[in-house]
Amino acid sequence: GENVEQHPSTLSVQEGDSAVIKCTYSDSASNYFPWYKQELGKRPQLIIDIRSNVGEKKDQRIAVTLNKTAKHFSLHITETQPEDSAVYFCAPGNSGGYQKVTFGIGTKLQVIP
Amino acid sequence: NAGVTQTPKFQVLKTGQSMTLQCAQDMNHNSMYWYRQDPGMGLRLIYYSASEGTTDKGEVPNGYNVSRLNKREFSLRLESAAPSQTSVYFCASSGLTQGGEKLFFGSGTQLSVL
Repeated sequence: GENVEQHPSTLSVQEGDSAVIKCTYSDSASNYFPWYKQELGKRPQLIIDIRSNVGEKKDQRIAVTLNKTAKHFSLHITETQPEDSAVYFCAPGNSGGYQKVTFGIGTKLQVIP
Repeated sequence: NAGVTQTPKFQVLKTGQSMTLQCAQDMNHNSMYWYRQDPGMGLRLIYYSASEGTTDKGEVPNGYNVSRLNKREFSLRLESAAPSQTSVYFCASSGLTQGGEKLFFGSGTQLSVL
């Protein structure tokens, strides 16, 4: 099965600064790389994803970059705002069909106003 | 279109009691999942169902059973609840998007076992 590691486990940044969270995976067959955001007391929700044929994808202040050779992908949040405070999870998988989805342990991001 | 509906939202059990958590999705997804979330442990997969009529164990299946009643519904049963099963439980379903298997979660069940 897939081994997934996330770093750091907690991250505090000042409002307006950037935040980067890294996810390392083990299965070389993985070709789909999503990030989920979970606000306190809420359900996880997909915020951005990328396929292996793309090196980077951006959506306003968030972006995901992929290094398939090194088997890691990262979530980048620029100009952080208090509403970015949440737990972020990566969940690498395979877009070629069903696959049991394994989540990283999560990164708690705190944006300090 | 409600997405993934999970009931109940809260439940308190005594040790040894049984209960069933219900989950239904209206997105015509083939795959459904049950996760538990504990502080500092992330989301751990209990059971999953790749399609109607099939179920498989995940990472932490002990003490649980599941039923994929039909394509829409996937229930989780605790036969004899234990304090170690105090957790937040999330049901999820997934369907192939242009990118891959995107998961949609229910709102969660806060379960306390005394």
